[in-house]
Amino acid sequence: NAGVTQTPKFQVLKTGQSMTLQCAQDMNHEYMSWYRQDPGMGLRLIHYSVGAGITDQGEVPNGYNVSRSTTEDFPLRLLSAAPSQTSVYFCASSRTATSSRYEQYFGPGTRLTVT
Amino acid sequence: AQSVTQPDIHITVSEGASLELRCNYSYGATPYLFWYVQSPGQGLQLLLKYFSGDTLVQGIKGFEAEFKRSQSSFNLRKPSVHWSDAAEYFCAVGAIAGNMLTFGGGTRLMVKP
Repeated sequence: NAGVTQTPKFQVLKTGQSMTLQCAQDMNHEYMSWYRQDPGMGLRLIHYSVGAGITDQGEVPNGYNVSRSTTEDFPLRLLSAAPSQTSVYFCASSRTATSSRYEQYFGPGTRLTVT
Repeated sequence: AQSVTQPDIHITVSEGASLELRCNYSYGATPYLFWYVQSPGQGLQLLLKYFSGDTLVQGIKGFEAEFKRSQSSFNLRKPSVHWSDAAEYFCAVGAIAGNMLTFGGGTRLMVKP
């Protein structure tokens, strides 16, 4: 199992550009989520999905879009990048969406800089 | 709403010394509690978790944590720190219904030789 994979590892964007961060998991997990990590603020939930075709907003959803057409993939789209979106982005997945009892597995992260 | 506070942003300990990282949470019921570790440039790895039962839980890499309901705390401990423990540590509280985690701000641990 590859676990949770993310691409790219690093990205630099100019203000106003759009891009998609890719996330895939091969564990047949029901729950997938995106977090951003900023110094001193821990990880904050952007969007999450409880299954294919079902997504919802987390704590900081503005400026981001998600969809989940398959169980395996959960891409995060930045529609018009802003410097405030400079951050490290983590994708995570978990066996079930109904309880946090089950471990969330994290990808290696994407470091995004918006100039 | 649930929240997690890690009061120490940075901690430095000598190799071989004991370690305690503090975590305080706010939640309406008995929460699910987690400690994750993030090595430089890596994703997060689960160290240990608490759901119910024995309030002292053992994790990987020799870590343990104690749940104290009266203090709303879930502090992480290790009796003897190794240089490889240098990393950032995150405490998190999990919803009982649904799978959302709320993280604390993290504590960066440095280990002196």
